[in-house]
Amino acid sequence: DAKTTQPPSMDCAEGRAANLPCNHSTISGNEYVYWYRQIHSQGPQYIIHGLKNNETNEMASLIITEDRKSSTLILPHATLRDTAVYYCIVVKSGTSYGKLTFGQGTILTVHP
Amino acid sequence: ETGVTQSPTHLIKTRGQQVTLRCSSQSGHNTVSWYQQALGQGPQFIFQYYREEENGRGNFPPRFSGLQFPNYSSELNVNALELDDSALYLCASSLDGMETQYFGPGTRLLVL
Repeated sequence: DAKTTQPPSMDCAEGRAANLPCNHSTISGNEYVYWYRQIHSQGPQYIIHGLKNNETNEMASLIITEDRKSSTLILPHATLRDTAVYYCIVVKSGTSYGKLTFGQGTILTVHP
Repeated sequence: ETGVTQSPTHLIKTRGQQVTLRCSSQSGHNTVSWYQQALGQGPQFIFQYYREEENGRGNFPPRFSGLQFPNYSSELNVNALELDDSALYLCASSLDGMETQYFGPGTRLLVL
């Protein structure tokens, strides 16, 4: 599975959009980008995933560059409850035997 | 719809003992994956159970073993506990081993 690089930490003001970048320059054509987050003392929470098209759900939007070497998770109106560690994971769907490889992630702090 | 539950929430053991952790998967899910999360680190994949059989394993020694039952709930057993086994143990359920996984709150194990 391709390796990902994320900034260790980011800040965001409450009510503003939080844009979390992820670099995955070695991604191959059949690998998906998944995003999870982990709020302190809780289990990780699935947010969104995509292959090459931009995706949106009730939690967030995922923007993947045309060359697929990077992506951005967008929380459109961040709240204090969005403070968490955000993990970007690249994986070949259906062949990973459920193995998600978590890196260090990005600590997002949303402040009032 | 019932989410993923884990028991116990906290556990204290001494070195050399054995421990069993339990996980009930989300309704409709047939796959359970287990992860170990040391303090300050991302979760590390231990193994996955699909339809009562181990279906993928991470870099963990054989003293980490598991079971999955016909109702798809699962157990993680760790023998000969070591101090480094102190961690948060997370289980995640999914459908057919897919990468969209739903995590439980975890069991925090302390080995003294």
